[in-house]
Amino acid sequence: AQSVAQPEDQVNVAEGNPLTVKCTYSVSGNPYLFWYVQYPNRGLQFLLKYITGDNLVKGSYGFEAEFNKSQTSFHLKKPSALVSDSALYFCAVRDGTDYKLSFGAGTTVTVRA
Amino acid sequence: DAGVIQSPRHEVTEMGQEVTLRCKPISGHDYLFWYRQTMMRGLELLIYFNNNVPIDDSGMPEDRFSAKMPNASFSTLKIQPSEPRDSAVYFCASSLHVINSPLHFGNGTRLTVT
Repeated sequence: AQSVAQPEDQVNVAEGNPLTVKCTYSVSGNPYLFWYVQYPNRGLQFLLKYITGDNLVKGSYGFEAEFNKSQTSFHLKKPSALVSDSALYFCAVRDGTDYKLSFGAGTTVTVRA
Repeated sequence: DAGVIQSPRHEVTEMGQEVTLRCKPISGHDYLFWYRQTMMRGLELLIYFNNNVPIDDSGMPEDRFSAKMPNASFSTLKIQPSEPRDSAVYFCASSLHVINSPLHFGNGTRLTVT
């Protein structure tokens, strides 16, 4: 079984401040982890993924994520948030035994000017 | 690449009517997924296909829901008869046959059943 938890429904930050969106996962095998962003009335857009190797993964639009195996976490980060980063963010996991991708409940990010 | 194409973008229908949602995956992608998004339940995987064959339909809520993939470039999700609780945004996504390949999503179909 595989599952994802995003403990925060909402994250609010000021523009220019660092942004962190939290994610923890549970899988029976090796995790394949993904972050997606969703803007209003649009589909989900892929941001970045972790497979193996470096625990710090860099992705699109200046986002990065840190994989922590001992804490089973994969937090999304951006050093300096922009107003245009305001959106709904989803963490997702696949356990490597099949192609099913399970999503967290999502975190709404609001960046104020 | 045009990406995953879904139609229609919006569908409004009355309870009891048949609804058909359509999806064209990205060319060359072997996997196709149907998800449903609601405020209450978030993103739910309904069914997914590999090379046009259904692999896991355990997320299909009821017998009223059916999905087909007659060829590599087309899939349908049908609801018959539709009910108000089926109102949601339905997403189609596709991916390559590589375990670390991300899903590519369409823009969804917003279904409203009155």
